Order: sequence, then C-alpha cells, then structure tokens
Amino acid sequence: AQKITQTQPGMFVQEKEAVTLDCTYDTSDQSYGLFWYKQPSSGEMIFLIYQGSYDEQNATEGRYSLNFQKARKSANLVISASQLGDSAMYFCAMRSNNAGNMLTFGGGTRLMVKP
Amino acid sequence: DTAVSQTPKYLVTQMGNDKSIKCEQNLGHDTMYWYKQDSKKFLKIMFSYNNKELIINETVPNRFSPKSPDKAHLNLHINSLELGDSAVYFCASSLRQGPNSPLHFGNGTRLTVT
Repeated sequence: AQKITQTQPGMFVQEKEAVTLDCTYDTSDQSYGLFWYKQPSSGEMIFLIYQGSYDEQNATEGRYSLNFQKARKSANLVISASQLGDSAMYFCAMRSNNAGNMLTFGGGTRLMVKP
Repeated sequence: DTAVSQTPKYLVTQMGNDKSIKCEQNLGHDTMYWYKQDSKKFLKIMFSYNNKELIINETVPNRFSPKSPDKAHLNLHINSLELGDSAVYFCASSLRQGPNSPLHFGNGTRLTVT
C-alpha cells in the first residue's frame, strides 16, 4: 500500500516570498513517481511537477521545485517568488508499480498568498 | 485544443435518476481514469481503463458503470443516484500506466443530487 501525507491544511505566504509545502510518503516499492498538482478555486487540476524515485537531481519547473529527500521519504514543493495567482489547493500524489500504478493523493494544502 | 474534456460541467438531478458524464481526450493517451473528489477535497480513484480494458475498479457501488467505446473516450454512467453521490467527478488520462507518467485531468463535473 502507498500513502501520502500533507500535514499543513492551510498556509499563508506574503507575495514575492518563497513557500514550502510539505509532503511525506510511504511505500515499499523502489520505483515510484511523485507529483504535485494545483487546484485553483475554479476547480481544475493542473499538473505542476514530477520527480522519479531514481532521479538524483531535484526536479524544477519555472518557479516550482521539488525538494526530494529519499531517505526521509519527503517530496516538498517549493514555490519561489509567490504570486497572488498561486493561491490554490495543492496536492501531492504518488504512483508506484506495487500499487497498480494508481495515482494516490494526499489531503491537500490550501495556500493563500497575501498582497 | 482542449486535452481532456468532460461534459457536463454541472449536473443537478434528483435522487433515483440515472445520469451520464462524458469524457474525451485528444492526447493520444492509452490510459483513462475516473476520480471522485468529495466535499473535503479528498481525491479517490474509481476506475482505470487501458486501451478500452478495465484495469482498476476500486470499491465503488455497482450503480457506477464506466464505458470505453474507444481509447479516447471513457464515459461514466450512474444509476439510481443517491444523495451521497454528490461530488466533483474528474476524468483523467496518462500516456502510460507506469509510475513516471503524470495524469492530465479534465475540468471536473460537479454533480449535485437533491
């Protein structure tokens, strides 16, 4: 079984500052993928960034980076230079072969960016 | 150039009715999914199809029946709707089934059962 935990139900960040959203995972599989999704108030699910379990470098996509610490089983999302449009729900998710490659989600973190 | 499109966006209906949600993807992906998001925003997989074949069928009442006429379409039919079926339903697709393939989601269908 695989499990994703996001311990921050809600967070505030000042515009233009960086923010880290926490994600820890649990799996017995050696091969897995970690994903982050953004869900703005309009409701759509937007894929942000992916990290493979065998990737040695942390993934980056524009202002998003994934702080992958394999030994700690954590995959935190870092958003640099926050913008008002970053206010949304953020979901960490995981796929692994042993879990039938289902994408399993954490409970989400609501991020609010203050002007 | 919509990638994953689902219709309708909103669906309001009465208990006991039967309804369908349609989903189409133009990404050329092999695998399609249905997810349910409850009122607490928790997302849970319902079904997964690979090349029109059912791969995953999580613990979902058999009132829910997916149908995949071809690998670009995965529709969801719900019989005898209940109040507890009220949720947002997301269709998604991925290029492959493997752990390195992200899912791309449609915009969701908000189902309200009264």
